[in-house]
Amino acid sequence: DIQLTQSPSFLSASVGDRVTITCRASQGISSYLAWYQQKPGKAPKLLIYAASTLQSGVPSRFSGSGSGTEFTLTISSLQPEDFATYYCQQLNSYPSWTFGQGTKVEIK
Amino acid sequence: EVQLVESGGGLVKPGGSLRLSCAASGFTFSSYSMNWVRQAPGKGLEWVSSISSSSSYIYYADSVKGRFTISRDNAKNSLYLQMNSLRAEDTAVYYCARSGNSFDYWGQGTLVTVSS
Repeated sequence: DIQLTQSPSFLSASVGDRVTITCRASQGISSYLAWYQQKPGKAPKLLIYAASTLQSGVPSRFSGSGSGTEFTLTISSLQPEDFATYYCQQLNSYPSWTFGQGTKVEIK
Repeated sequence: EVQLVESGGGLVKPGGSLRLSCAASGFTFSSYSMNWVRQAPGKGLEWVSSISSSSSYIYYADSVKGRFTISRDNAKNSLYLQMNSLRAEDTAVYYCARSGNSFDYWGQGTLVTVSS
């Protein structure tokens, strides 16, 4: 099975900061990677699919990049509503769609 | 507006059974594969099972294979998860999610607690 490792697992940042989260796959997954945002007590929300395509309605401060085994999610200017936990998911290893362990973004 | 609403969660004893439902609306349900994803308390997301639009293809995570059964009724716009031989480690919030651009819509989740 393909493993996904996110780093860091936790980060503390301020409003307006540029934030980058990395997701590394144990083997190549082309661009079959998605990013989700989850707030406490809520369902995950799709932010980015196919590594870099912004889901409709998601603010443009979110961006994704990468292919193969290394991917990044960047928030260009952190907003108060962005404090949440972020997960990556690979959709290359059919049919086992694994998630990363999550990155919690908290207010500094 | 796409809506997914799960139901059927609750408290069950180890070894017991439970059937979850997911009612879909706002899209052509019969055109999409569907999924179940779970999240244990304080933990990350775990993919559980998937079913293709016509039920031709069904897949399970190793952790639930042989105990859980996914199904759907396209006439009723509904997705199901039959869970048998439940274990303490199955305790989680269970979400249904649509396979569009990745898992593009999710329900609010239903809590399953396995405890004696």
